[in-house]
Amino acid sequence: AQSVTQLDSQVPVFEEAPVELRCNYSSSVSVYLFWYVQYPNQGLQLLLKYLSGSTLVESINGFEAEFNKSQTSFHLRKPSVHISDTAEYFCAVSGNSGGSNYKLTFGKGTLLTVNP
Amino acid sequence: NAGVTQTPKFQVLKTGQSMTLQCAQDMNHEYMSWYRQDPGMGLRLIHYSVGAGITDQGEVPNGYNVSRSTTEDFPLRLLSAAPSQTSVYFCASSSLKRGGYNEQFFGPGTRLTVL
Repeated sequence: AQSVTQLDSQVPVFEEAPVELRCNYSSSVSVYLFWYVQYPNQGLQLLLKYLSGSTLVESINGFEAEFNKSQTSFHLRKPSVHISDTAEYFCAVSGNSGGSNYKLTFGKGTLLTVNP
Repeated sequence: NAGVTQTPKFQVLKTGQSMTLQCAQDMNHEYMSWYRQDPGMGLRLIHYSVGAGITDQGEVPNGYNVSRSTTEDFPLRLLSAAPSQTSVYFCASSSLKRGGYNEQFFGPGTRLTVL
């Protein structure tokens, strides 16, 4: 079984400030890790994913996340946020073997609000 | 390629009424699933299917039925709606290719209110 803990339910920041959204997971098997973003009144979009290899993964809009196996974490960071980054962010985990890699377990979400 | 589509977008029901939320995908995906999203709870898996004729329960299956008669469609049925089923419902699909990662694609959601 897997579980995901997102440590902050809400994160307010000012525009151009750095931000970190924290995510910890637990799993008895090796995992894939994901961050999804949900803009207001929209569905979920995959923001970035860790499958294997380099522990630092990046998205096309400046977010990055680092897989830390020893701390079982996958925190999301951005050095300078924009108003348009206001959204809810979900961390998710799945097993990485053939029989389990389609079942996602989500955290409860972090609402990022970027203020001018 | 429409991806994952869901109908209706919005629905208001009275307690005890029944209805079916529709989900369809045109990507020939084997895996389909239903989640519900509630404030502060994230997304929780209701039911899922790994192919036509095969369904299984997720984390919160009570009060919901599913069937999978075709690869494309995966309807979610509420037989007797309750206010606790007020939520936003998302359908998702992915392929099940072995040996690698299969991205899940999400539909736009159905916002259901039960009075």
